[in-house]
Amino acid sequence: QKEVEQDPGPLSVPEGAIVSLNCTYSNSAFQYFMWYRQYSRKGPELLMYTYSSGNKEDGRFTAQVDKSSKYISLFIRDSQPSDSATYLCAMSYGGGADGLTFGKGTHLIIQP
Amino acid sequence: GAVVSQHPSWVICKSGTSVKIECRSLDFQATTMFWYRQFPKQSLMLMATSNEGSKATYEQGVEKDKFLINHASLTLSTLTVTSAHPEDSSFYICSAARAENLGTIYFGEGSWLTVV
Repeated sequence: QKEVEQDPGPLSVPEGAIVSLNCTYSNSAFQYFMWYRQYSRKGPELLMYTYSSGNKEDGRFTAQVDKSSKYISLFIRDSQPSDSATYLCAMSYGGGADGLTFGKGTHLIIQP
Repeated sequence: GAVVSQHPSWVICKSGTSVKIECRSLDFQATTMFWYRQFPKQSLMLMATSNEGSKATYEQGVEKDKFLINHASLTLSTLTVTSAHPEDSSFYICSAARAENLGTIYFGEGSWLTVV
């Protein structure tokens, strides 16, 4: 079993829809949970991070962490074609003090 | 704007030569930086942890003599791919975090290496 599981997609939804992306993980020691967006041939861009369990909202994005289930989610409201990209979940023990363990990424396509 | 910068963005080199990639934190000091590698349609895999003023820590399976890391200052880490082979062709990305906010981990734009 891989440490972080993420459905690679592609996930195709119509513009304006709510998008739900998620990851599961096996290591209960992870404390920091991040979501990155990556466009083709570019470095990942940090969208959100959450420490331990809970929800966090930033504009159209909401991140949720359920440590008891080892499950994290990213919701995108009012999705736009410009949101089309690969979304990577990542996690670590000590945030910036440790390297990140990434999921494989989900390729998201927002249809105009 | 970018807070972590990488150079070069892309490089083509001949098999057997060495290539150096630079990673800079632009507006903060980073005692620790990280180097990742990403093959096409694969996720990022941590290669090594670069520590300012001390030796890098390599992940299992990564050859430390092939991938030389130097963290000479608080804003600069370099990755040198020595005696490059075509199988080293990949996307190399560095990251750094602000010490005052460990969750904000920023990545550089990445460096595409093609070994011919």
